Amino acid sequence: DAGVIQSPRHEVTEMGQEVTLRCKPISGHNSLFWYRQTMMRGLELLIYFNNNVPIDDSGMPEDRFSAKMPNASFSTLKIQPSEPRDSAVYFCASSSGAPGANVLTFGAGSRLTVL
Amino acid sequence: KQEVTQIPAALSVPEGENLVLNCSFTDSAIYNLQWFRQDPGKGLTSLLLIQSSQREQTSGRLNASLDKSSGRSTLYIAASQPGDSATYLCAVPFSGGYNKLIFGAGTRLAVHP
Repeated sequence: DAGVIQSPRHEVTEMGQEVTLRCKPISGHNSLFWYRQTMMRGLELLIYFNNNVPIDDSGMPEDRFSAKMPNASFSTLKIQPSEPRDSAVYFCASSSGAPGANVLTFGAGSRLTVL
Repeated sequence: KQEVTQIPAALSVPEGENLVLNCSFTDSAIYNLQWFRQDPGKGLTSLLLIQSSQREQTSGRLNASLDKSSGRSTLYIAASQPGDSATYLCAVPFSGGYNKLIFGAGTRLAVHP
């Protein structure tokens, strides 16, 4: 199993540009999570999906952020337009199993720098 | 609102020492607690998951305990090695939920030869 796969690993863009981060969860996992990590705020949950359906997006900071999961093997996190304060490492994680018994498996992260 | 605190924020020790990392949480009604390891520039790796009905879990040189009533967990690392150098984070589900995890800020551990 290749684990949770994220792309790109690094992205440098200019303010105002659209950014799309991609995630392929572990096959068979039915929950997918997008987290953001910064030095100031640590790890923050942005949104999570269960069976491809967004369950809770209360962590999405602004309308500039959107996430989709068109099928069980793919999810995207889009920022449009991007701003310097969006610079962070964005992690995708997936899990399966009974509630309370599942273990999250994280991807290696996408490091975003907005100039 | 669930809050997770980890102490100390950083720790530097010589190789071979036994270590204790602390995690506290404000809402004791949790389903489980997880300890993760994060290496620089990498993602998080789950180390141990303790269910609310359990008091401890062990994996190799790692032992994690859970005291729900006091809102505390400890991660014990025996005979530390330079390869243990990393940031260790604990996480609990959001209050009233089980799939959403809230993380502590982590303890940055450096084990020097």
